[in-house]
Amino acid sequence: EVQLAQSGAEVKKPGESLKISCKGSGYSFITYWIAWVRQMPGKGLEWMGMIWPGDSDTRYSPSFQGQVTISADKSISTAYLQWSSLKASDTAMYYCARQGSHGMEVWGQGTTVSVSS
Amino acid sequence: QSVLTQPPSVSGAPGQGVTISCTGSSSNIGAGNDVHWYQQLPGTAPKLLIYGNTNRPSGVPDRFSGSRSGTSAYLAITGLQAEDEADYYCQSFDRYLSRSGVFGGGTKLTVL
Repeated sequence: EVQLAQSGAEVKKPGESLKISCKGSGYSFITYWIAWVRQMPGKGLEWMGMIWPGDSDTRYSPSFQGQVTISADKSISTAYLQWSSLKASDTAMYYCARQGSHGMEVWGQGTTVSVSS
Repeated sequence: QSVLTQPPSVSGAPGQGVTISCTGSSSNIGAGNDVHWYQQLPGTAPKLLIYGNTNRPSGVPDRFSGSRSGTSAYLAITGLQAEDEADYYCQSFDRYLSRSGVFGGGTKLTVL
């Protein structure tokens, strides 16, 4: 079964760093883009960026460029989303999804990130 | 302000049909980039409903259909059922926004 398994919920303070993960299984991880999507409380979906794990080619939405870093370790079929200095406005649910020509066919279960002093 | 514009809400009675629009521009939908649609039930991850403008993944009822014309795309739902009550999002890519993905703002479907 094709799956994306995300890391667990995080509670952080402003200014702290964070790296969340998304592990793929059941398919060739290096042959599909992995996208990250933000959903702030009570709001819609926002496309953040995506990575091609085969060569780490990465694209960012202009809204998120410089705010987060997307990376991947193909040896363990895992993609990452990281922040160097969290803000309260980073509080949201973050989803990873397998992005292909058939859209985002497979989604992770989501990782809740709460940032509060 | 989303790059793709959707109505915030639509509603219909059980058995009726509704259509949700997704309006973009010449740099995304109008440039020929595919539109995908997602359904998000409360408290769950989004689910792919329509891909490549008109195609349904296996398991999606044929009550759901997609179309595209010019700079807009449409999701039609016929024979509304209570379980269709959810948020619906369109998604495409934009050639000017660093070739990044873009979502519509989402449409809340209420089944009356």
